[in-house]
Amino acid sequence: DTGVSQNPRHKITKRGQNVTFRCDPISEHNRLYWYRQTLGQGPEFLTYFQNEAQLEKSRLLSDRFSAERPKGSFSTLEIQRTEQGDSAMYLCASSKYLTAPGELFFGEGSRLTVL
Amino acid sequence: AQSVAQPEDQVNVAEGNPLTVKCTYSVSGNPYLFWYVQYPNRGLQFLLKYITGDNLVKGSYGFEAEFNKSQTSFHLKKPSALVSDSALYFCAASSNTGKLIFGQGTTLQVKP
Repeated sequence: DTGVSQNPRHKITKRGQNVTFRCDPISEHNRLYWYRQTLGQGPEFLTYFQNEAQLEKSRLLSDRFSAERPKGSFSTLEIQRTEQGDSAMYLCASSKYLTAPGELFFGEGSRLTVL
Repeated sequence: AQSVAQPEDQVNVAEGNPLTVKCTYSVSGNPYLFWYVQYPNRGLQFLLKYITGDNLVKGSYGFEAEFNKSQTSFHLKKPSALVSDSALYFCAASSNTGKLIFGQGTTLQVKP
């Protein structure tokens, strides 16, 4: 069990550029979640997948954001035409959902800085 | 709408003293409640959860939490604080979708 892995850990980009983050969940976990965390705030839910199906998206997830989990394993979060307000820590988490919600296991996050 | 509130931005306690970090929730249906801890430059770590059953839940590192349905609270407690407990603590609630809604966090500062 290597835990949840996120790459890159840090990304600095210029406004208007596209960025993509990758998340590799714990292998047997069927659910994968994306959150965004800004300084001094709790994580805010963005979207989640059960296997390859994207089951819910937050209203925070504008049309510049897209997430995929094509084979039900790793996931990518792409932000197009980045804005300075997108600067945040993007967190990925996975869980094994059985008959009731279980704990989420978080990666260390991908920090995005938009200049 | 579901929400979680942590009314204290920071809690200060002396080492060896008991600590309490407060949390209240608003969730439709049966709540599933969690506490997570975040150390600097580290990912969120699960501490404990309440799903059903005993209102006093025991978790990692000697922490426990008390579920109070009438007060819609889930306060985190520890009988004797350690300096190494200093960190950012998040309360979270989930409906049966598994999606967690987090509070804004409480910084715990334990002084020697």
